[in-house]
Amino acid sequence: GEDVEQSLFLSVREGDSSVINCTYTDSSSTYLYWYKQEPGAGLQLLTYIFSNMDMKQDQRLTVLLNKKDKHLSLRIADTQTGDSAIYFCAEIGNNAGNMLTFGGGTRLMVKP
Amino acid sequence: DAGVTQSPTHLIKTRGQQVTLRCSPKSGHDTVSWYQQALGQGPQFIFQYYEEEERQRGNFPDRFSGHQFPNYSSELNVNALLLGDSALYLCASSLRPTGGEQFFGPGTRLTVL
Repeated sequence: GEDVEQSLFLSVREGDSSVINCTYTDSSSTYLYWYKQEPGAGLQLLTYIFSNMDMKQDQRLTVLLNKKDKHLSLRIADTQTGDSAIYFCAEIGNNAGNMLTFGGGTRLMVKP
Repeated sequence: DAGVTQSPTHLIKTRGQQVTLRCSPKSGHDTVSWYQQALGQGPQFIFQYYEEEERQRGNFPDRFSGHQFPNYSSELNVNALLLGDSALYLCASSLRPTGGEQFFGPGTRLTVL
C-alpha cells in the first residue's frame, strides 16, 4: 500500500525555525496535510495543500511541496514552547475519496 | 460553533465484550470517518460514512462496524473485543468525501483488559 514516512524526533531552541519533513510514495496524491497532536488530545488541523500548489504560507507556518521528489515539509517560524507536540503528515491519494494515510509522526521538542 | 465531539472520553472493557463509540461532526459537515490510533503510531483509517452509507473501508475486520444517522452523527461498534483493540479512536468530519478540510474530534481512549 501507499506509505508516508517521517523522522521520529526534532529538537530546537525557542525562537529558532523548525523544519519537519515528510516523504510519501503515492504519486497520485491530491491533498497533503499537517496535523498537530498534543499529549492525550485529538488531532488539530494546521494546514493542507492541494497537489497543484508548491507552497502555502499561513502566519508562522510554511508548507513546501516537491511533487517530483514526493517530499513535503512544514516550517514553523519563531518556534515557541507551546509548539512542542507530535506533528503528523498525511495524504489523500487519487481515487481514495477522503481516506487519509498518515505518517508515524515527528515529535518536536522546543527547549527554552 | 461546536467542533467535532466524541463520547465517551474513556472506556474500559474486557476481552470479548462489545463497545459503541459516538461522534457528532462539525456543524455543516456531512461526512464522518473513523480512525484507530495505537500508542506511538499514526492513525489508521477504519471506514467512512456519507449519506448514511459506508463509502470506504480500511483494512479492518468485520468486527468493526458503523452507522450514520440522518443528522450526520455516527457510531462505531466493535464486537468481540481483543487486547489489540486498545487504542485512541478518532472521528473526523468533512464536507463531502472529496478531500479538503478534515477536522478531528478529541478521541475516545479504549482500554481492553
